Amino acid sequence: SQQGEEDPQALSIQEGENATMNCSYKTSINNLQWYRQNSGRGLVHLILIRSNEREKHSGRLRVTLDTSKKSSSLLITASRAADTASYFCATDATYGNKLVFGAGTILRVKS
Amino acid sequence: DVKVTQSSRYLVKRTGEKVFLECVQDMDHENMFWYRQDPGLGLRLIYFSYDVKMKEKGDIPEGYSVSREKKERFSLILESASTNQTSMYLCASSSPSGFYNEQFFGPGTRLTVL
Repeated sequence: SQQGEEDPQALSIQEGENATMNCSYKTSINNLQWYRQNSGRGLVHLILIRSNEREKHSGRLRVTLDTSKKSSSLLITASRAADTASYFCATDATYGNKLVFGAGTILRVKS
Repeated sequence: DVKVTQSSRYLVKRTGEKVFLECVQDMDHENMFWYRQDPGLGLRLIYFSYDVKMKEKGDIPEGYSVSREKKERFSLILESASTNQTSMYLCASSSPSGFYNEQFFGPGTRLTVL
């Protein structure tokens, strides 16, 4: 059961530009998380936004959550070549244990 | 520095072999997870465990089993490997802390079944 779906599937931008990725989900959630995966490696947690929050910032990352539309977006500002990776959203609907991951967005930042 | 380690980065096995993938975490986490990752499908949960000797099926448990004899170690077993189990396998752990349940991932094991 795939809860989150990312859009677009792939994104290619120039260094310095902003990158926006979107995530839609189907059921009510407790929180939504974003992860990054560098090629062939494990996932790294980036940011978590709770269901009662609308926006959250962490460095160059900005996450928004619209529970009425069941959607979230991840904005990376002033992108760098090192931001090249796959980005996944994950939703928690069960209070604590399982997360459900989407298929991911592949971001390529060209220098 | 928190750490999740997996026994192998790359593994090549033959059809019908029994395969063991090991995962160890040093964060004293109660929860541990095994996922497989395939292109275009994202991460799919195979099994998870919320305590020693406890296990629950995820979304795709067929063809797999797990073992958790110690809190820090969670093993994934392919009883008789098949070519459709060629995939990237990712282990993760987390603490059941209510709202904040980020998962920590190992580096992954890329398994090829010939």
